[in-house]
Amino acid sequence: ETGVTQSPTHLIKTRGQQVTLRCSSQSGHNTVSWYQQALGQGPQFIFQYYREEENGRGNFPPRFSGLQFPNYSSELNVNALELDDSALYLCASSRGQGEFPEAFFGQGTRLTVV
Amino acid sequence: GQQLNQSPQSMFIQEGEDVSMNCTSSSIFNTWLWYKQDPGEGPVLLIALYKAGELTSNGRLTAQFGITRKDSFLNISASIPSDVGIYFCAGPVIQGAQKLVFGQGTRLTINP
Repeated sequence: ETGVTQSPTHLIKTRGQQVTLRCSSQSGHNTVSWYQQALGQGPQFIFQYYREEENGRGNFPPRFSGLQFPNYSSELNVNALELDDSALYLCASSRGQGEFPEAFFGQGTRLTVV
Repeated sequence: GQQLNQSPQSMFIQEGEDVSMNCTSSSIFNTWLWYKQDPGEGPVLLIALYKAGELTSNGRLTAQFGITRKDSFLNISASIPSDVGIYFCAGPVIQGAQKLVFGQGTRLTINP
């Protein structure tokens, strides 16, 4: 059983640029969530994808968007990058809605905006 | 929104000591999850608790789901160097999606 994998592991971008982060979910998991973790804080929920549709969003602006593909993998896109977007971005997969709240995380993508 | 408060924020202990940390909320949770995060890595699920009063162990780790459903505790016995890291509690909240709300973490440092 393969775990959650994310790419790339590290990324440096310039303010105003766009970035795409990728995530492969754990086998058997159909739900993918994205979290942002600033230094010294707990992860903050960005949004969740289930059956290729966004089914919930945290307090993040529309320039944060995503996709889920038929194989349940997912992308996080961030447009017009700001310095405050520098953080560890975590992808988490889970088995479904409601009954299985446990989420399993990838190793994260460290994004630095300069 | 629902917030989880963890204490202590950091701990400095000697190898071999036992560790206790807790997590409290102003709201009721139906599930409590405990994660550990090493530097530069994603959180790893340690223990999941599903029922008020439940006590669950995973090796040297023991976690309890508080009777009021507003708190949870994690204990580590006979700490070893690889226990170093940040421990997070988390609980599921349904707002459209079922998301996890995390505490701010307890950072554990062990002196050999």
